[in-house]
Amino acid sequence: DAKTTQPPSMDCAEGRAANLPCNHSTISGNEYVYWYRQIHSQGPQYIIHGLKNNETNEMASLIITEDRKSSTLILPHATLRDTAVYYCIVKRVGLRDNYGQNFVFGPGTRLSVLP
Amino acid sequence: DAGVTQSPTHLIKTRGQQVTLRCSPKSGHDTVSWYQQALGQGPQFIFQYYEEEERQRGNFPDRFSGHQFPNYSSELNVNALLLGDSALYLCASSRDRGTEAFFGQGTRLTVV
Repeated sequence: DAKTTQPPSMDCAEGRAANLPCNHSTISGNEYVYWYRQIHSQGPQYIIHGLKNNETNEMASLIITEDRKSSTLILPHATLRDTAVYYCIVKRVGLRDNYGQNFVFGPGTRLSVLP
Repeated sequence: DAGVTQSPTHLIKTRGQQVTLRCSPKSGHDTVSWYQQALGQGPQFIFQYYEEEERQRGNFPDRFSGHQFPNYSSELNVNALLLGDSALYLCASSRDRGTEAFFGQGTRLTVV
């Protein structure tokens, strides 16, 4: 699976939008972009995923560039509870040979939301 | 829907002992993957079970083994525990060929 590059840490003011970048320049056509976050050693929490179109759900928006080599996770109104490590992962899904759906986690971005 | 549930939440074992961790996948999911997360690191893939068979395995020794039951729940077994096996063990469930995957809250294993 392709590797991703994320900044090790970011700060964001409470109430402002948090924009977390991710570079995945070697992504292939059948790989999705996933975002998870992990709060204080709890299990990773699913945020959003996408293939090539921008996606939005109740938690966040995912903006994928047209060449799919990078993406941005947007938390529109960050709160203190959004302080966590955010992981960007690319992964193949749904191939005929049933290749496994294991995630390869990098170090992620430690987002600190400041009051 | 309870999501992915893991038991126990915490466990303390002595070096050399054996341990069994359990995972119940989210309703409708048939694939279970296990991960090990050492303190300060990202989760590392151990193996994945589908149709009661190990389908894929990460770089972990044979001391780590697993099982999947007909109801899709799964167990992770670790034999001859080492101090280095102390970690948060995570279970993730998904549907075969589906795109969604959800993690449980993990089991914190401490080996003393």
